[in-house]
Amino acid sequence: EIVMTQTPLSLSVIPGQPASISCKSGRSLLHGNGKTFLYWYLQKPGQSPRPLIYEVSNRFSGVPDRFSGSGSGTDFTLEISRVEAEDVGDYYCMQGIHFPYTFGQGTKVDIK
Amino acid sequence: EVQLVESGGDLVHPGGSLRLSCAASGFTFSSYWMSWIRQAPGKGLEWVANIKEDGSTKYYVDSVKGRFTISRDNAKNSLYLQMNSLRAEDTAVYYCVREGGMDVWGQGTTVTVSS
Repeated sequence: EIVMTQTPLSLSVIPGQPASISCKSGRSLLHGNGKTFLYWYLQKPGQSPRPLIYEVSNRFSGVPDRFSGSGSGTDFTLEISRVEAEDVGDYYCMQGIHFPYTFGQGTKVDIK
Repeated sequence: EVQLVESGGDLVHPGGSLRLSCAASGFTFSSYWMSWIRQAPGKGLEWVANIKEDGSTKYYVDSVKGRFTISRDNAKNSLYLQMNSLRAEDTAVYYCVREGGMDVWGQGTTVTVSS
């Protein structure tokens, strides 16, 4: 099983300021087809998770462009350029290349 | 509108069984792998199982192998999770999720295993 390690586990951000979450995997997530199967999700309080980023750096439809993903191999980052109040919640990375799929522990983001 | 609606969650005694269902609409269900993902109270997300478009291939997390069975009925646009020999640690909200990036999630159904 691939262990996904997120840091930090919690983050308190001033609105308008940037935020960054790291996700490290125990094995490379690079597939032989050239794609890297690393995803990011946001779960707002009381809601189902919502997809943000697929294959490291691609935003799902409707995701604001203040969200961006980067990285390769085993090290990945989710960045929010200017945090808004609606961005509070739990952020999860997930690897989708090796079974069982595994998630990071989650990073709780709140507003200062 | 693309939608997944889970049902079947309930309170069950340890050792009991439960069958979860997920009704899909708004997309060609038979064209997608589908997953079940769960979240224990106050905890993170855990992938449970998935199934290929035609039902021919299935994968499970080790903790449910031999106890849970994922299945689908493409004619009914439905996904299922048969859960047997339930344990307290299976208590969670269970989400039905469309693969292809896990891009569509249901609202979840709650399973509570307790005596």
